[in-house]
Amino acid sequence: LAKTTQPISMDSYEGQEVNITCSHNNIATNDYITWYQQFPSQGPRFIIQGYKTKVTNEVASLFIPADRKSSTLSLPRVSLSDTAVYYCLVGGRSYIPTFGRGTSLIVHP
Amino acid sequence: ETGVTQTPRHLVMGMTNKKSLKCEQHLGHNAMYWYKQSAKKPLELMFVYNFKEQTENNSVPSRFSPECPNSSHLFLHLHTLQPEDSALYLCASSQDFRVSEPSALHFGNGTRLTVT
Repeated sequence: LAKTTQPISMDSYEGQEVNITCSHNNIATNDYITWYQQFPSQGPRFIIQGYKTKVTNEVASLFIPADRKSSTLSLPRVSLSDTAVYYCLVGGRSYIPTFGRGTSLIVHP
Repeated sequence: ETGVTQTPRHLVMGMTNKKSLKCEQHLGHNAMYWYKQSAKKPLELMFVYNFKEQTENNSVPSRFSPECPNSSHLFLHLHTLQPEDSALYLCASSQDFRVSEPSALHFGNGTRLTVT
């Protein structure tokens, strides 16, 4: 199971772009990278998933370099409502999602 | 609305009580999960069911008893709990997790359990 490392916390301001990097040095060939967002007293919500290069959806972008040993979740122009905990998960076939402590993002006015 | 509904949203119970948490999904998923989230701690996986069969029991004490009568419903039966069992209990569902790429988890909003 690939171990992930991400910053415990980050601060930003409204309107800025936020990049949260996750390290996963022992990622396996068949592993995917998945990010979730969690607000207080709610369940996590799927944001984005990718295998290589770049993936973009209406919420975020996910950048994965060629060696796949890290990935960066990019949130464009954050607002106060983006204050949440963001989790990076790595796994492939038959993977049971295991959550770490995540990154607590606080967006300031 | 996440497609996964958990009831009740809040529950207070004494240590000698018996109660059950309910989870229901209408997303057509085949896998269902129970997670526990204590204050300031990461989510802890408790149980996993795939096609109604339990595939994972993460060393959970026997005072927690899961039940999955069909792919749409999941229960967590509670009895003789301890105060340290107070936490947010989250249910999730996904497609069959044995496929080639991870299937996104869809979580409910949880049951906030307080054991007195």
